[in-house]
Amino acid sequence: AQSVTQLGSHVSVSEGALVLLRCNYSSSVPPYLFWYVQYPNQGLQLLLKYTSAATLVKGINGFEAEFKKSETSFHLTKPSAHMSDAAEYFCALRPYGQNFVFGPGTRLSVLP
Amino acid sequence: DGGITQSPKYLFRKEGQNVTLSCEQNLNHDAMYWYRQDPGQGLRLIYYSQIVNDFQKGDIAEGYSVSREKKESFPLTVTSAQKNPTAFYLCASSISSWSTNEKLFFGSGTQLSVL
Repeated sequence: AQSVTQLGSHVSVSEGALVLLRCNYSSSVPPYLFWYVQYPNQGLQLLLKYTSAATLVKGINGFEAEFKKSETSFHLTKPSAHMSDAAEYFCALRPYGQNFVFGPGTRLSVLP
Repeated sequence: DGGITQSPKYLFRKEGQNVTLSCEQNLNHDAMYWYRQDPGQGLRLIYYSQIVNDFQKGDIAEGYSVSREKKESFPLTVTSAQKNPTAFYLCASSISSWSTNEKLFFGSGTQLSVL
């Protein structure tokens, strides 16, 4: 069965510090992988997606993620956190021909 | 602007009552989805529809019903059989359900609470 795990339900960083949100997946076939962001009381917005064209994927708002097949990981990073990055982040996979599978989410807090 | 509109933003249900959540999209997307979001559990799929007049159960369909009479609309009814309905409900759409690399577009959600 396909699954997504996100290490750390809550991550706190200082403004200007590196953001690292972890995502590991389990899939019997190479999946498509996505990162979404959710601001309070809002829907989800796509940050970036991996579709096998390149292992390092750049997204919006300065975020990027690297697909590592050997580690079954798709961690999200941003070099310098901004207060506006405080939100909940969801990693998701979509196996071919199937529906999305979402991770449990990681809430990011940015401290001044 | 194209997008997905969910209404109402907040909804309260009394014991034994059915309530309907509205979802409308003007993106001309074929596929529409309903997700339930509970704290710490991510999103769980309730129902999805790949085309008008057709829909399939997701992972947690019990106590819910849907219809897809128009391409633009995919309302969700939370029935009295759903004993724990308090959650944040998200509607989403995509160009089609067949194209695996297509992203989901989300509405802004409805918070349902039990009185």
